[in-house]
Amino acid sequence: GAGVSQSPSNKVTEKGKDVELRCDPISGHTALYWYRQSLGQGLEFLIYFQGNSAPDKSGLPSDRFSAERTGGSVSTLTIQRTQQEDSAVYLCASSSFTDTQYFGPGTRLTVL
Amino acid sequence: GIQVEQSPPDLILQEGANSTLRCNFSDSVNNLQWFHQNPWGQLINLFYIPSGTKQNGRLSATTVATERYSLLYISSSQTTDSGVYFCAVLRAGKSTFGDGTTLTVKP
Repeated sequence: GAGVSQSPSNKVTEKGKDVELRCDPISGHTALYWYRQSLGQGLEFLIYFQGNSAPDKSGLPSDRFSAERTGGSVSTLTIQRTQQEDSAVYLCASSSFTDTQYFGPGTRLTVL
Repeated sequence: GIQVEQSPPDLILQEGANSTLRCNFSDSVNNLQWFHQNPWGQLINLFYIPSGTKQNGRLSATTVATERYSLLYISSSQTTDSGVYFCAVLRAGKSTFGDGTTLTVKP
């Protein structure tokens, strides 16, 4: 079946602009995660959605970052007033009740 | 929060050699996964292993939850095994990754 998909695959933007990154999880997966990976670094947890529960936003680095998940499926990560330090690969993962996470290919964000 | 430490940070092997990667974590966890990140950045599931031992071809993993560590074994390494290996633990919904082990397998 289809895996986790993310769009766009690459995004170049100017400092101060807003960007939206999209994640389509595996159908039927109730949990969805967003991570950020800077060059040569590990994965930094950003936010976690589980079913209809309130999301765990504890990893969001600033109030410029927000995410929503509509209808328990597609998720959008929004970064407002982008800064150069926001440049990274943004990864999305989804999981079923087994908690095995499956990752999408990521969106590479470059802020000029 | 929970701490996840992986060792060694870097590993260089000759093709055909065996290796052991380690993941230590600081508190009890709901689950543990091993991933391989290939040179194109894609994260591939290797094992979901909150406890016990699993094997998949040349790879196997063991988690001793009571002692808070997991081991990933790679036997008869191939150049395609090169990349970064991450351990990730899940606790109360929050997932924490280690910094990874970068493996280079030379032909």
